[in-house]
Amino acid sequence: EIVMTQSPATLSVSPGERATLSCRASQSVSSNLAWYQQKPGQTPRLLIYGASTRATGIPARFSGSGSGTEFTLTISSLQSEDFAVYYCQQYNYWPPWTFGQGTKVEIK
Amino acid sequence: EVQLVESGGGLVQPGGSLRLSCTASGFTFSSYEMNWVRQAPGKGLEWVSYISGGGGSIYYADSVKGRFAISRDNAKISLCLQMNSLRAEDTAFYYCARHGGGGYFDLWGRGTLVTVSS
Repeated sequence: EIVMTQSPATLSVSPGERATLSCRASQSVSSNLAWYQQKPGQTPRLLIYGASTRATGIPARFSGSGSGTEFTLTISSLQSEDFAVYYCQQYNYWPPWTFGQGTKVEIK
Repeated sequence: EVQLVESGGGLVQPGGSLRLSCTASGFTFSSYEMNWVRQAPGKGLEWVSYISGGGGSIYYADSVKGRFAISRDNAKISLCLQMNSLRAEDTAFYYCARHGGGGYFDLWGRGTLVTVSS
């Protein structure tokens, strides 16, 4: 099973600042990596797939990068609606499809 | 509108059974692989089960193997999860989730809460 590790667990950022979230895979997953956003009380929403392709309707301030075992989600200028928990997920080796434990982006 | 709507959650005693359903709309259901993903309150996401578009391929997480059974009815545009021998650790929101082109989850339902407690 591929273990996905996200860091940091919590990221405190001021509105308008840049946020950088990391995700590491226990072995290479190529570019088969997705990112999701989950706001309190809401369902997860797909942000990025293929490590760097934005899903339909996702603003350009969200960008993904990386391949192999190291991945990054960058939010270029945080808006109030971006404060949420973010999960990465690998889909290179399955089953199981595995998620990271999440990074909470909170208001500084 | 493209959406997934789950139902069937509730309170059940340890050892009991529950059947979850997911109804799809707005897309060609039979063309998509479908999944159940769960989330314990305040915790992260855990994939539970997968079924191919035609129902011929099925996978389960080790944590539910032998206790849960996934099925689908493409004519009724529905996905089901039969959960038996439920344990306290199965308490979670259960989401119906569609597979995108490569194995990511591109459409999620709102979830249904399953609580296993005496």
